[in-house]
Amino acid sequence: QVQLVESGGGVVQPGRSLRLSCAASGFIFNSYGMHWVRQAPGKGLEWVAVISHDGSSKYYADSVKGRFTISRDNSKNTVYLQMNSLRAEDTAVYYCAKLPLLYCSSTSCYIDYWGQGTLVTVSS
Amino acid sequence: SYELTQPPSLSVSPGQTASITCSGVKLGDKYACWYQQKPGQSPVLVIYQNNKRPSGIPERFSGSNSGNTATLTISGTQAMDEADYYCQAWDSSTVVFGGGTKVTVL
Repeated sequence: QVQLVESGGGVVQPGRSLRLSCAASGFIFNSYGMHWVRQAPGKGLEWVAVISHDGSSKYYADSVKGRFTISRDNSKNTVYLQMNSLRAEDTAVYYCAKLPLLYCSSTSCYIDYWGQGTLVTVSS
Repeated sequence: SYELTQPPSLSVSPGQTASITCSGVKLGDKYACWYQQKPGQSPVLVIYQNNKRPSGIPERFSGSNSGNTATLTISGTQAMDEADYYCQAWDSSTVVFGGGTKVTVL
């Protein structure tokens, strides 16, 4: 069965960096795109970034563009989110999530499996 | 940027039908999907590509999408369906979520 296990969350000061990891299992990792989605405490879902199956295509939400970087290592079945210049408003549970395809099509880009999430708290 | 609008809350009696709307400009020209999230849990996909149900999702969940509105319908709502529901679409290389609708079964 599909498993997505996030790690790397914690408390970090504003302006500092953090790298999240997501270890995937139960499917052929290099055949599927991956997302990061976040959810601030008591708030709704906010998409962060998506990466294609081979890492060649990436898109970001405007709120994180230029500060966050999504990447993947298909030899390790792992997707990463490098977060720089963190702000208080980045405080959230960060979910790793799987696309049902190699990448998004022109009309559809959804998530068929979600991890359990890892909490990132940005606070001095 | 593209926006999806959902009602913040909806109440439904057990056994009745709940209809959750999601509005966006020309949303019917895109594929919409829906996620269910129960307290303390990760979201679960309940409808994709407007009206398709993933395996394991009960038949009482159905979806439609036309014009500017996508709708998630829960027929014969059960207590276990009490949750937050989010619509989602893909526009200009951006994943967009609606603000979520809290469904209360009482």
